[in-house]
Parts: sequence; C-alpha cells; structure tokens
Amino acid sequence: DAGVTQSPTHLIKTRGQQVTLRCSPKSGHDTVSWYQQALGQGPQFIFQYYEEEERQRGNFPDRFSGHQFPNYSSELNVNALLLGDSALYLCASSVGREAKNIQYFGAGTRLSVL
Amino acid sequence: TQLLEQSPQFLSIQEGENLTVYCNSSSVFSSLQWYRQEPGEGPVLLVTVVTGGEVKKLKRLTFQFGDARKDSSLHITAAQPGDTGLYLCAGYDGYNFNKFYFGSGTKLNVKP
Repeated sequence: DAGVTQSPTHLIKTRGQQVTLRCSPKSGHDTVSWYQQALGQGPQFIFQYYEEEERQRGNFPDRFSGHQFPNYSSELNVNALLLGDSALYLCASSVGREAKNIQYFGAGTRLSVL
Repeated sequence: TQLLEQSPQFLSIQEGENLTVYCNSSSVFSSLQWYRQEPGEGPVLLVTVVTGGEVKKLKRLTFQFGDARKDSSLHITAAQPGDTGLYLCAGYDGYNFNKFYFGSGTKLNVKP
C-alpha cells in the first residue's frame, strides 16, 4: 500500500516563474492538505482540498492556488515566485475533511527559488 | 508567527540521558499531536492527546496534555541515537478554523 507520494522531489526555479507540485494521497484517503516548511521552521498550513474544493485556507496570498482531481490527487500551483517561497512543500492526506483526523505526510518537494 | 512555541529549539545529549520538550500556547486546542521528522522525510505522527491532563506513553516516550489544553510536553527516557530528529507539536483548533497549527520544532541530536 503506497503512502503519500509527491513529485518532483526537488525543483529549482527563478524569481517570477510559476511552479506546479503534485501529490497522490494514501489509498483510501479523500482529503489533501498542503503545508510550507521553511528551513528551521515547522510546517505552515496553506490549504486543504476535499471533494475537489478548497475547504480551508491559511495565511497565504492568492499566488498560491491548488486543485484536487476526481481521483483525489492534488496539485499546488505557485505563481510569480519570490525568493521567500523557497521551502519544503509537504502534502498530507487524511480521511474526511475534519482536521482532527490523522494526517499522513509525504516526503515533500524541496523548492529552491533563485 | 507561530501559534505554538516549542522549547528548547535545539538539544544535543548523550545516549542514555533523559530529556523533556515543551510546547506552549496562549490558545486552547481541541487536541494536540506530536510528530517526528527526519531529514528528507515528512513528519510522522507519534501520538494524539485530546483530554486535558491526559498522559500517554509510547515505549520510552511520555506525552502529557496540559489541564487547560494550551500546552503539552514530551519526555524521553534513556534517549537513543535513533531518537534523533525534529520533534514537532501541532494543535488542532476545532473551535474556529478546523486547522492544524505546527510549532517551530525541537531539533534533537542524541550522540552515541
């Protein structure tokens, strides 16, 4: 049983570019949450997708957007990249949209913005 | 800014020593989780505490949720090199935002 998988594992972009990160949830999970983890910090909640809709959102600008597909996989898009967007982006999946439900994390995508 | 403050930020100890990590907030949480994260990996859930004053044990790890559900502690007895990693607490705010808030983490290094 595959856990949460994220792609790519590493990515290098330049300022102003756009990036798309992908996440496949654990089998049987229907909810995907995205987090940003800056170096030396804890993860910060970006948003959560359930039933193909954004259900909750953290304090992130509109440059951060996402999508969930009918198979529950999800994408995180970031436009107009800034140097400060350099971070580890984590995807977590769970069953149901209740945040109290156990989340399983992927290994993350390391984004470097030059 | 982090809603949850963890202390200490860094801890380097010898194998066999005991240690305690703290997670504090001015906010009340419905529940609190502890995770361990190793380099190149995502966080892995260790425990969830729900009731104020609750104590849970996981082998050499003891987790406690404060009576007011604003703080928590993680105590490790006889630490081993395999305990090395980043320990994160995460509070679930079921009252207002139905979201998780992570602390900034405690980086533990256990030397053999």
